[in-house]
Amino acid sequence: NAGVTQTPKFRVLKTGQSMTLLCAQDMNHEYMYWYRQDPGMGLRLIHYSVGEGTTAKGEVPDGYNVSRLKKQNFLLGLESAAPSQTSVYFCASSSGQPGNQPQHFGDGTRLSIL
Amino acid sequence: QQQVKQSPQSLIVQKGGISIINCAYENTAFDYFPWYQQFPGKGPALLIAIRPDVSEKKEGRFTISFNKSAKQFSLHIMDSQPGDSATYFCAATIASGTYKYIFGTGTRLKVLA
Repeated sequence: NAGVTQTPKFRVLKTGQSMTLLCAQDMNHEYMYWYRQDPGMGLRLIHYSVGEGTTAKGEVPDGYNVSRLKKQNFLLGLESAAPSQTSVYFCASSSGQPGNQPQHFGDGTRLSIL
Repeated sequence: QQQVKQSPQSLIVQKGGISIINCAYENTAFDYFPWYQQFPGKGPALLIAIRPDVSEKKEGRFTISFNKSAKQFSLHIMDSQPGDSATYFCAATIASGTYKYIFGTGTRLKVLA
């Protein structure tokens, strides 16, 4: 029972580098989310998707892009990494809207931008 | 108006004691209030949730108390155990018509053995 799998688990980047974080879920969920977690700030929504081929902006979308080409995968891209993007990134998925179905989270990607 | 304010930021409780975490919201359209529990190195997981048509919901040692008029809700952990040591997040959402939670800032709970 894999659930939500995030790769990589850790990464260190230099300012200006680009990278893609991968989220994969095996629960056939329609909804997928990318959050960032920073000390004292809780979880903030970056982007989300309500189905294959769809994406939408969350609270803090600047500097990030996403794609949902396959239902089971949700990719988060950093085109030109900045130190302010140092954070722990969580992917989540759900079978329905937040008020009706729980979100299932991966174990996070710890990203440091030097 | 979209904020959910959570307190305290950290909490230390003796084994067997009661842990209480509070959250307050402003948007009266919120109608679903979950609590998520997060252990170190793991993602958050749903613990318990409440809708505003009830004032209290209990699941085992965990209880949510909800005060609609005050726009506040709280998590009570009875007979706290060291295994409850984790970070707890409250959240709020509109059950239909939106796809996102607004999370509180988290409370780090440590239960001493």
